[in-house]
Amino acid sequence: GESVGLHLPTLSVQEGDNSIINCAYSNSASDYFIWYKQESGKGPQFIIDIRSNMDKRQGQRVTVLLNKTVKHLSLQIAATQPGDSAVYFCAEKFKLSFGAGTTVTVRA
Amino acid sequence: NAGVTQTPKFQVLKTGQSMTLQCAQDMNHNSMYWYRQDPGMGLRLIYYSASEGTTDKGEVPNGYNVSRLNKREFSLRLESAAPSQTSVYFCASSNGRAGAEKLFFGSGTQLSVL
Repeated sequence: GESVGLHLPTLSVQEGDNSIINCAYSNSASDYFIWYKQESGKGPQFIIDIRSNMDKRQGQRVTVLLNKTVKHLSLQIAATQPGDSAVYFCAEKFKLSFGAGTTVTVRA
Repeated sequence: NAGVTQTPKFQVLKTGQSMTLQCAQDMNHNSMYWYRQDPGMGLRLIYYSASEGTTDKGEVPNGYNVSRLNKREFSLRLESAAPSQTSVYFCASSNGRAGAEKLFFGSGTQLSVL
């Protein structure tokens, strides 16, 4: 199954399910986007990025989708694991502050 | 490869005391940043430095000063600590122009001001 957080601050997902975390951006001219993961007690860590000449980019168990028409990007995590429990932030080029992010909690 | 190193990891201050948070990166990055993170507030930019010798204010600079000592080091100083400065502080660095590339973060300093 899938669990989707549509710009929600929290997302609870069953272990093994797919997760989708959504993010809206403000500047239609932005050409570079980044996802970070912050585990409890640690600093944010780069997960994956995408440039505006792409619609999709895949990493290890993660996929980022970019929809420039509606200024929206999403992070998909396949087969969510307990280690995926964290806060996820999206960021756009030249925007140096981050919102509160989405807290993902994985249920065993 | 150490990446971004912050010291100290924990600090307790009394109101009015001063202290300096240290940050060093070994990736030869041009840009460095200081953030604070409070519950439910995300990461807010305090100051940043786009290159050695330059610093600029971020979203929440009041009560802080910074020094870009050289390309590697960027320190954050609290001259007279206040309880409102209780927070977790993160230093970060990136290549190229400030904000143009992904950031690499340190592990944070947890500061309590009593």
